[in-house]
Amino acid sequence: AQSVSQHNHHVILSEAASLELGCNYSYGGTVNLFWYVQYPGQHLQLLLKYFSGDPLVKGIKGFEAEFIKSKFSFNLRKPSVQWSDTAEYFCAVNANSGTYKYIFGTGTRLKVLA
Amino acid sequence: NAGVTQTPKFRVLKTGQSMTLLCAQDMNHEYMYWYRQDPGMGLRLIHYSVGEGTTAKGEVPDGYNVSRLKKQNFLLGLESAAPSQTSVYFCASSYRGGYDEQYFGPGTRLTVT
Repeated sequence: AQSVSQHNHHVILSEAASLELGCNYSYGGTVNLFWYVQYPGQHLQLLLKYFSGDPLVKGIKGFEAEFIKSKFSFNLRKPSVQWSDTAEYFCAVNANSGTYKYIFGTGTRLKVLA
Repeated sequence: NAGVTQTPKFRVLKTGQSMTLLCAQDMNHEYMYWYRQDPGMGLRLIHYSVGEGTTAKGEVPDGYNVSRLKKQNFLLGLESAAPSQTSVYFCASSYRGGYDEQYFGPGTRLTVT
């Protein structure tokens, strides 16, 4: 069965620190990959997505992610976090095999200290 | 465009009561989904639909039923609520299923006592 692992459940950083959140998936075929963010009290919104092409994907608000096929990973990065990045971050995978389902990771709760 | 809307935003039920959550989207999306979000468990798919008149089971379908009579609406029903169904419920839609991003509604916080 497909699964998505986010190993960091809680992360606390100071402003201006660099961020890297891990995401690993288990599926041997072609995948579509997503990172969503949920700010406190709000609904999920898309940060970035990867379907094909350049494995380094840039998203909104200075976030980027790198798809490393050999490691089954899609880690999220930001060079310098801000207090407003405090949120929960979810990695999601869709196996490009005709299924219309997405598998979400358990989420990483990020707190940025001002 | 309103995007994806959910009704109601909050609800408290007693064990055994029934209710229906309504999800509506105005983006002409074919695919719609219901998830539940619980602490430490991320989002888990309850049911989904790949078009008007179709529904399919997700990861955690027990205790829930759904209907997609109109393309823009996706209803989630709880026939006999249980405390284990206390959760935040999110509806989402997408244009081409897994090939596109999902657009999420604001959520419904349900408490079953």
